[in-house]
Amino acid sequence: DTEVTQTPKHLVMGMTNKKSLKCEQHMGHRAMYWYKQKAKKPPELMFVYSYEKLSINESVPSRFSPECPNSSLLNLHLHALQPEDSALYLCASSQEGEPYNSPLHFGNGTRLTVT
Amino acid sequence: GESVGLHLPTLSVQEGDNSIINCAYSNSASDYFIWYKQESGKGPQFIIDIRSNMDKRQGQRVTVLLNKTVKHLSLQIAATQPGDSAVYFCAERLGGSYIPTFGRGTSLIVHP
Repeated sequence: DTEVTQTPKHLVMGMTNKKSLKCEQHMGHRAMYWYKQKAKKPPELMFVYSYEKLSINESVPSRFSPECPNSSLLNLHLHALQPEDSALYLCASSQEGEPYNSPLHFGNGTRLTVT
Repeated sequence: GESVGLHLPTLSVQEGDNSIINCAYSNSASDYFIWYKQESGKGPQFIIDIRSNMDKRQGQRVTVLLNKTVKHLSLQIAATQPGDSAVYFCAERLGGSYIPTFGRGTSLIVHP
């Protein structure tokens, strides 16, 4: 079992819906990430939070809105998505500030389908 | 959209054989390298890592080799088992950064 928990596991939403993806970790990590992964492709970085502040936004469309309520929680708010946004959304965490021996720890993702 | 018919590089081995998965990385300034295993329906799982001041590191049944001269990384899995079937990603990280860049991935299929 992963130490990064993501909910829901699966989500089907229409293009006019608003939904949120949730991620939680209790490893004391201070960096948290959202990745998008299409089938047969590597994960693509979307956002990075460092000490609860957004530090990286990889030019993600505004229909994706991240939020970090506290050091253990990370949300991704979704609104007016397109069918091409269907993918596996992965959350990860790491110990920022330690450049060595601090790999990312991933959750099992939310499989999102936009109809 | 996605390319129809896009496939990952695939390595097929028999159970009990040793497997070698290769990765060419892009940036000579990268100083930390990680291998991840991703099983179907799961997120990537950390396997082993190596710093650029090393050329070999061993774990349980796995060994990572780093050749900085040709910017090449490999993952060796001893006595491969059906449970090793997964997609394997290498990742590199630039010095001073904590964010990895993932390679393309290799699908390992282990036949009983």
